[in-house]
Amino acid sequence: DAGVIQSPRHEVTEMGQEVTLRCKPISGHDYLFWYRQTMMRGLELLIYFNNNVPIDDSGMPEDRFSAKMPNASFSTLKIQPSEPRDSAVYFCASSQGHWTQYFGPGTRLLVL
Amino acid sequence: ELKVEQNPLFLSMQEGKNYTIYCNYSTTSDRLYWYRQDPGKSLESLFVLLSNGAVKQEGRLMASLDTKARLSTLHITAAVHDLSATYFCAVDISSSGKLTFGQGTILTVHP
Repeated sequence: DAGVIQSPRHEVTEMGQEVTLRCKPISGHDYLFWYRQTMMRGLELLIYFNNNVPIDDSGMPEDRFSAKMPNASFSTLKIQPSEPRDSAVYFCASSQGHWTQYFGPGTRLLVL
Repeated sequence: ELKVEQNPLFLSMQEGKNYTIYCNYSTTSDRLYWYRQDPGKSLESLFVLLSNGAVKQEGRLMASLDTKARLSTLHITAAVHDLSATYFCAVDISSSGKLTFGQGTILTVHP
């Protein structure tokens, strides 16, 4: 299996622009998670889905962030408008049931 | 609110030495994970511990779980340079799949 796939791997954008991060989970996994990692706040869970349905979005920082999972093999995390404080590494992870989460390579986002 | 605290946050070790990383958590849980992250890379799963007294070993790393003390340990035996990385513990309360991560322990092994 190819593992969790994320794109883009790096994104540099200007404040106010829309940013869309993409994730393809491992085939057969029914849970998908979006995390953000920063030096100051560590690893934070933003939102997670089960069978394409959002279960808990309490970690989404504010209305500028939104996430969708239109089908079992694709999810997006969108930031609109982006701000410099959104600069971070965003990880997508997937799991089968409530078991070990497998992380993608991450998207390194820099908002200028 | 669940809190997960690791100790120490920074660990500099000599090759060949032993040391332990501690992970304390504030709410009852029967499922704890250890992950490794190399600089600039993703997180790699090391262990999942599912019950009180659970012990898992892989190479020079051994993890254990004491649910009564709400404590997990990651023991490093005869450290080698390749073990240099950041190690995270993560707790799943209520077996919901939702993980809360510790701050991470940055381990550096030097000659």
